[in-house]
Amino acid sequence: DAGITQSPRHKVTETGTPVTLRCHQTENHRYMYWYRQDPGHGLRLIHYSYGVKDTDKGEVSDGYSVSRSKTEDFLLTLESATSSQTSVYFCAISESWGTDTQYFGPGTRLTVL
Amino acid sequence: GNSVTQMEGPVTLSEEAFLTINCTYTATGYPSLFWYVQYPGEGLQLLLKATKADDKGSNKGFEATYRKETTSFHLEKGSVQVSDSAVYFCALSDQDGGFKTIFGAGTRLFVKA
Repeated sequence: DAGITQSPRHKVTETGTPVTLRCHQTENHRYMYWYRQDPGHGLRLIHYSYGVKDTDKGEVSDGYSVSRSKTEDFLLTLESATSSQTSVYFCAISESWGTDTQYFGPGTRLTVL
Repeated sequence: GNSVTQMEGPVTLSEEAFLTINCTYTATGYPSLFWYVQYPGEGLQLLLKATKADDKGSNKGFEATYRKETTSFHLEKGSVQVSDSAVYFCALSDQDGGFKTIFGAGTRLFVKA
């Protein structure tokens, strides 16, 4: 199994509070991704990173920011959480861009009340 | 833009039944196609993939053939087991989409003993 951990695994927070989710990998893969999973939508890309301090937006990036200061860590921040951001968040990594296989973390279930 | 359409679930089968989960795609280029599986409480993991027309991906008794003429990548298994109960996601990635992976909505499979 690819070494990917996410923390926390579960979080309940209130509307308007900031939230940071962490993804940590031990595979030294260059590419890292944040997805959200919602019923009927599959997985949708929020942000991705192609190297330390190199990030870009995905299809549902509004309300989210990311940072990557080390190869192994990719942080997702909700600056002011809203109920529409209640979801399961998955981190993924891949060795190369393009059609390479992605390896997924176990997910973080976030509930915004 | 690129898109993936999967049959809606849930699909409920008895053990040893034949499984088909339909997947069709829309892409302007020549995508690579994937099936990922998500077991309860876990992240997604690659089940199989195919990178060009007429390729057949296979793993753990599952198969899917890349059909460019029908833009399809249907997942099949000859004899399902209770342990195959999971959510299955069809996905694609291609150059015209910036190589971002697009996932279908997922199909939940229940297998009864």
